[in-house]
Amino acid sequence: NAGVTQTPKFQVLKTGQSMTLQCAQDMNHEYMSWYRQDPGMGLRLIHYSVGAGITDQGEVPNGYNVSRSTTEDFPLRLLSAAPSQTSVYFCASRLLPSGAQYFGPGTRLLVL
Amino acid sequence: KQEVTQIPAALSVPEGENLVLNCSFTDSAIYNLQWFRQDPGKGLTSLLLIQSSQREQTSGRLNASLDKSSGRSTLYIAASQPGDSATYLCAVSKNTGTASKLTFGTGTRLQVTL
Repeated sequence: NAGVTQTPKFQVLKTGQSMTLQCAQDMNHEYMSWYRQDPGMGLRLIHYSVGAGITDQGEVPNGYNVSRSTTEDFPLRLLSAAPSQTSVYFCASRLLPSGAQYFGPGTRLLVL
Repeated sequence: KQEVTQIPAALSVPEGENLVLNCSFTDSAIYNLQWFRQDPGKGLTSLLLIQSSQREQTSGRLNASLDKSSGRSTLYIAASQPGDSATYLCAVSKNTGTASKLTFGTGTRLQVTL
């Protein structure tokens, strides 16, 4: 099993550009989620999904879109990047209702 | 709102010492509690998962306990090694309707010195 994979590992964007962060898991987990991690702020939930076709907002959803067309994939879209979105982004997945959560290696995003 | 606190924020110990990391949470109605480690520049690695019906879990030199009634968990690391140096985070899971969500503590940064 590859577990949870994320691409790219690092990305630099200019303000106003859009991009998609990719996330995939091969563990057949129903639940997938996106977090951002910032110094002093800890991990904050952006969006999550409990299955294909079902998504919901977390704590900090503004500026981000998600979709879940398959069990395996959960991409995160930045519609118009802002410097405040400079962060490290982690994708995670787990079995519902109370399985262990597994994280991907992260994507470092710098918005200039 | 669930709040998760980890004390201390940072800890430095000499190699070979046994140590305890603390995690406290305000709402005892949880599904489970999970301990992670995070190395600098890396993702989170799951260490131990304790379901709400369990009191402790063990993996190698690690032992995690859970006391739901007092809102506390401890991670015990035996015979610490320099390779244990990392940030350790705890997270509690609570049913919020459509799915249980994790609330993370801000972590304890551990350094094990030679």
